[in-house]
Amino acid sequence: SYELTQPPSVSVSPGQTARITCSGDALANQYTYWYQQRPGQAPLLVIYKDSERPSGIPERFSGSTSGTTVTLTISGVQAEDEADYYCQSADSGDTKNVFGSGTKVTVL
Amino acid sequence: EVQLLESGGGLVQPGGSLRLSCAASGFALSTYAMSWVRQAPGKGLEWVSSLGISATTTYYADSVKGRFTISRDNSNNTLYLQINSLRAEDTAVYYCARHDYGDPFLGGFDYWGQGILVTVSS
Repeated sequence: SYELTQPPSVSVSPGQTARITCSGDALANQYTYWYQQRPGQAPLLVIYKDSERPSGIPERFSGSTSGTTVTLTISGVQAEDEADYYCQSADSGDTKNVFGSGTKVTVL
Repeated sequence: EVQLLESGGGLVQPGGSLRLSCAASGFALSTYAMSWVRQAPGKGLEWVSSLGISATTTYYADSVKGRFTISRDNSNNTLYLQINSLRAEDTAVYYCARHDYGDPFLGGFDYWGQGILVTVSS
């Protein structure tokens, strides 16, 4: 089955850079999307098609890809960036959408 | 402005049924693929079901296949999820989400509703 692997947690000091990885065999051939979810809120799209940023998302959020690993980078982390982050991709062959298990970003 | 508003959740006994609704505004449901995604308490996101632009193209996660049915009503721009034979493990917040591609298995979700809680318990 298709799985996406994320680290459970990342801790970072304000102003530093947080990097969250997402690994999966099919990521080399499918777009990856990233969502931010603050406690008690719905997910919010922060990166689409591996590295595109939606309107209204701060420039400090960026995405990159290398083979079967994609990375969400938050540069100059702010307290408001403390949240859970999920990667997501699609398995077109098996007609399923798949989410990573999520990474909790803690701002120290 | 795109908005998605879920309703219809609540407490239901095991084996019971519910119909969730997702009222869309700011766009026509008939021109986008849509999905339901759920999140059990304290857990991650789980894709549940998708509906393609053609309302006859429906897809389901293995965990809900045969029990859940996704559909839409173009006249009132509303997406539905009929959930039957409910189990304790179906307890979750259910979100409706819009796809950014017409094919629900090419991209991701650009807009989400605020979610609705379904609790399955006796």
